[in-house]
Amino acid sequence: QKEVEQDPGPLSVPEGAIVSLNCTYSNSAFQYFMWYRQYSRKGPELLMYTYSSGNKEDGRFTAQVDKSSKYISLFIRDSQPSDSATYLCASTSGSARQLTFGSGTQLTVLP
Amino acid sequence: GAGVSQSPSNKVTEKGKDVELRCDPISGHTALYWYRQSLGQGLEFLIYFQGNSAPDKSGLPSDRFSAERTGGSVSTLTIQRTQQEDSAVYLCASSRPDRSSLYFGPGTRLTVL
Repeated sequence: QKEVEQDPGPLSVPEGAIVSLNCTYSNSAFQYFMWYRQYSRKGPELLMYTYSSGNKEDGRFTAQVDKSSKYISLFIRDSQPSDSATYLCASTSGSARQLTFGSGTQLTVLP
Repeated sequence: GAGVSQSPSNKVTEKGKDVELRCDPISGHTALYWYRQSLGQGLEFLIYFQGNSAPDKSGLPSDRFSAERTGGSVSTLTIQRTQQEDSAVYLCASSRPDRSSLYFGPGTRLTVL
């Protein structure tokens, strides 16, 4: 079993929809949680960063962590075609060296 | 400021040839990482450099893979006697030592024919 599991999709939604992307993890020591966005033929870019449980909002994006259920979510409101990308969740107990990535969910937002 | 840069962006080689991939990290980032990303797969950790410490090579898949980092900055990943299964995108990332997030370069897409 991988330490971070992520539904690979693909996920296709109409423009303006609310998107929910999810990961589960198994390591109770994980404290830091990240979402990376990767456009086609580009490197992953850090999108959201959270520490421990709770919500973090940045514009149309909300990251949510529930440590009791070991569940990580990314919500995208009013989705746009420019949000079409692969989204990777990642977690670590401390250092970047220990980052564990999900396999990524491919999202397509249709105009 | 400038991000992580990698070269070449694409590399096509014949089976059995050696290849060198280059990474230039963000200035001031002392930690440097190499990852491999295959189609439909997640990110596979290869090697980690931190300052002058001995590198963590625990992710290198075989002794055909090696990497070095000169002057604490630029890094080169070398794959000897390439095989078709080496075809993938090779990503370099850097970070500050006290941070838990990584900053990735655009990657080198390696195709072994």
